[in-house]
Amino acid sequence: AQRVTQPEKLLSVFKGAPVELKCNYSYSGSPELFWYVQYSRQRLQLLLRHISRESIKGFTADLNKGETSFHLKKPFAQEEDSAMYYCALHSSYKLIFGSGTRLLVRP
Amino acid sequence: KAGVTQTPRYLIKTRGQQVTLSCSPISGHRSVSWYQQTPGQGLQFLFEYFSETQRNKGNFPGRFSGRQFSNSRSEMNVSTLELGDSALYLCASSLELADTQYFGPGTRLTVL
Repeated sequence: AQRVTQPEKLLSVFKGAPVELKCNYSYSGSPELFWYVQYSRQRLQLLLRHISRESIKGFTADLNKGETSFHLKKPFAQEEDSAMYYCALHSSYKLIFGSGTRLLVRP
Repeated sequence: KAGVTQTPRYLIKTRGQQVTLSCSPISGHRSVSWYQQTPGQGLQFLFEYFSETQRNKGNFPGRFSGRQFSNSRSEMNVSTLELGDSALYLCASSLELADTQYFGPGTRLTVL
């Protein structure tokens, strides 16, 4: 079954600390993976698409097919990074979302 | 370009009623998808439309239906509302099928 797992509901770090938000997927074939972010009272926004391999707001994510993971990383967290982060898998014209991880960056 | 818009933003209904939600995609986008977001179940796919045809449907009862018009605008309808239908309903549009999806602000439906 196709599935996306985000094992952490909440991740709390101090400003300036490195951040890694975990995402594991289950999918047969070549996955197309995304990270979306939802800031307080704002709409869900695309953060990263693995195909583009770009860095947005200092975040990067590498697809590891061997470990079936697509972890989101940032070397130095900022307070404005506090938000809900969703990993998503594109399959059969729909997005399958993980349950999300709330990132809290403390001053 | 203007983003995805959804109307209304908030809605309160009672059990047994029906409701229609509207979504206007980004100009030029031809595919519209709908998702339900709840604290318990998270984000779940409802259906996707492309060129006025439903291309995919999630695991929701037949009370949930939708359609897409020739200008790509989409509506979803929920009949015989239940308390469990209370949720944030998100619409997303993409240029073509399987393209990156961009989300609207959502319609928050409360069923009393």
